[in-house]
Amino acid sequence: GENVEQHPSTLSVQEGDSAVIKCTYSDSASNYFPWYKQELGKGPQLIIDIRSNVGEKKDQRIAVTLNKTAKHFSLHITETQPEDSAVYFCAASNPEGSSNTGKLIFGQGTTLQVKP
Amino acid sequence: NAGVTQTPKFRVLKTGQSMTLLCAQDMNHEYMYWYRQDPGMGLRLIHYSVGEGTTAKGEVPDGYNVSRLKKQNFLLGLESAAPSQTSVYFCASSYYGVGQPQHFGDGTRLSIL
Repeated sequence: GENVEQHPSTLSVQEGDSAVIKCTYSDSASNYFPWYKQELGKGPQLIIDIRSNVGEKKDQRIAVTLNKTAKHFSLHITETQPEDSAVYFCAASNPEGSSNTGKLIFGQGTTLQVKP
Repeated sequence: NAGVTQTPKFRVLKTGQSMTLLCAQDMNHEYMYWYRQDPGMGLRLIHYSVGEGTTAKGEVPDGYNVSRLKKQNFLLGLESAAPSQTSVYFCASSYYGVGQPQHFGDGTRLSIL
């Protein structure tokens, strides 16, 4: 089955710097890759996603890149702010033939700390 | 719009006790999921449902049962709680399957003594 590895497990940056989180996946059939942000005591919240027919997607200070050949995808946050501090999860999903269950396989999470 | 609501938010059980976690969504989503979150392991899928009256096993289904009698509700049951089931449980829902964003509740923190 699918396996998703996420690095680093912790990341500390100065306010205004960029942060990059990387994930690799094992199943070449995976075609949907969302990123979630989880604040303390809350559930994960989708911040950006990308499909396998797209190489890059941007939304203001957040961008995601996908390399299907290497089977890895990355989250880029520019001009980081203290409110970006949270745990970030990557995930992968594949259609599993015609079953279309939508099951997500998550990475282990990255704790991002943005220092003022 | 409440989104996904989980009940209760916290619970402490003794080994061997049973309980049911309730998930309710008001977005008319077809698909619903139960995950558990443990330190350093991300979120792992316990069970899921692709529509009212259907359920299926995820990655870690042992020790849990689920029911989806109404489209808006997805129940997770622990028949005989074990300390290994101490975790934070999250429910999520989506309109359909692959490629559809999953919306999460704020979790149930469960401790088994």
